[in-house]
Amino acid sequence: EADIYQTPRYLVIGTGKKITLECSQTMGHDKMYWYQQDPGMELHLIHYSYGVNSTEKGDLSSESTVSRIRTEHFPLTLESARPSHTSQYLCASTTGWTYNEQFFGPGTRLTVL
Amino acid sequence: GESVGLHLPTLSVQEGDNSIINCAYSNSASDYFIWYKQESGKGPQFIIDIRSNMDKRQGQRVTVLLNKTVKHLSLQIAATQPGDSAVYFCAENINYGQNFVFGPGTRLSVLP
Repeated sequence: EADIYQTPRYLVIGTGKKITLECSQTMGHDKMYWYQQDPGMELHLIHYSYGVNSTEKGDLSSESTVSRIRTEHFPLTLESARPSHTSQYLCASTTGWTYNEQFFGPGTRLTVL
Repeated sequence: GESVGLHLPTLSVQEGDNSIINCAYSNSASDYFIWYKQESGKGPQFIIDIRSNMDKRQGQRVTVLLNKTVKHLSLQIAATQPGDSAVYFCAENINYGQNFVFGPGTRLSVLP
């Protein structure tokens, strides 16, 4: 089982709240990702990072922001949550070298009321 | 742009039968492919991978076939079990250092 963790697993909040979804990995991976996934649907890349102090936007436009101050930590923040942000958020990491799988965390299911 | 897609959104099979899940990709430059299994409430889990210099790769009860001519990828599961019920995603990686592109997923239901 991959050593990548996400907290919280489930979150229900009201509109306008600021939230941070946590993601940590203990594998020393350089590259980390955030995906947004609606139930049973494909994964959409919203942010990724090549390493410390590197953050990039993914294919899907997102109102969230990320930071990468430490190799093992890649938090995602929503400054003002809206019902349209309701989804599952998956964090992943990889060594960054070619021909290597991404390891996924268990996900955070976010519901914004 | 490039895309990875699945032919069938759902697949139901009898327990003990073999399952075949298909995936089409559009970028001939893709050189690495992964099949992931995602159970309800969990993150995707690696099943098997294949590089573009291979046509076939086998794991425990699973086989991935790659047909570069028609840009098609398939996952075969032998003697399907109830624990195989999940959503299966194919993902392609286009060149070194690029990000994975995921297909929409196929839900596999195993009937008793």
